[in-house]
Amino acid sequence: AQSVAQPEDQVNVAEGNPLTVKCTYSVSGNPYLFWYVQYPNRGLQFLLKYITGDNLVKGSYGFEAEFNKSQTSFHLKKPSALVSDSALYFCAVRDGLTGGGNKLTFGTGTQLKVEL
Amino acid sequence: GAGVSQSPSNKVTEKGKDVELRCDPISGHTALYWYRQRLGQGLEFLIYFQGNSAPDKSGLPSDRFSAERTGESVSTLTIQRTQQEDSAVYLCASSLARSYEQYFGPGTRLTVT
Repeated sequence: AQSVAQPEDQVNVAEGNPLTVKCTYSVSGNPYLFWYVQYPNRGLQFLLKYITGDNLVKGSYGFEAEFNKSQTSFHLKKPSALVSDSALYFCAVRDGLTGGGNKLTFGTGTQLKVEL
Repeated sequence: GAGVSQSPSNKVTEKGKDVELRCDPISGHTALYWYRQRLGQGLEFLIYFQGNSAPDKSGLPSDRFSAERTGESVSTLTIQRTQQEDSAVYLCASSLARSYEQYFGPGTRLTVT
């Protein structure tokens, strides 16, 4: 079975500082990894994905994530946080071996709060 | 173009009543997913449709939950004899058959009183 862990319920960072939102995963085969963001009263928006290739993936709004196979991690990062980045962030994984279509398993989410 | 739409946006119902939630996927997206998001929790997979294949119903929590999809268009999620623990936001997503990116609708907030 596949699973995702987001160990931090909330991350606080000052505007202009770098941010990291942590994610670790567990799958049987090759992981397909995703980050989504959820703003208040809105649906989830896709940020970025890792399927194969370069371990550093760049996505929307200046976010990037680094795939680390040995640590089974896929942490989300941004060099300089903005107040407008404040939102709920979800990490998700799909097992590349299963035949279950694109069924994603999500983490419980990390609330990012960026303050002036 | 239009994104995934869901209706109603909010639904309040009495315990024991049946409810129907609707999802309109992005045109051309053959895959459609339903998820449930309880307060303070992550998304919980419910059901997945892909073209004319049999749906993956492995996430449905009980036989009170069912879903249908007509071809590659609208889907409805039905919850019979609603219980208070069914209160949640129900999210629908769609994707192209060979795409890994799922596009989510705004959700339906269901409150069972």
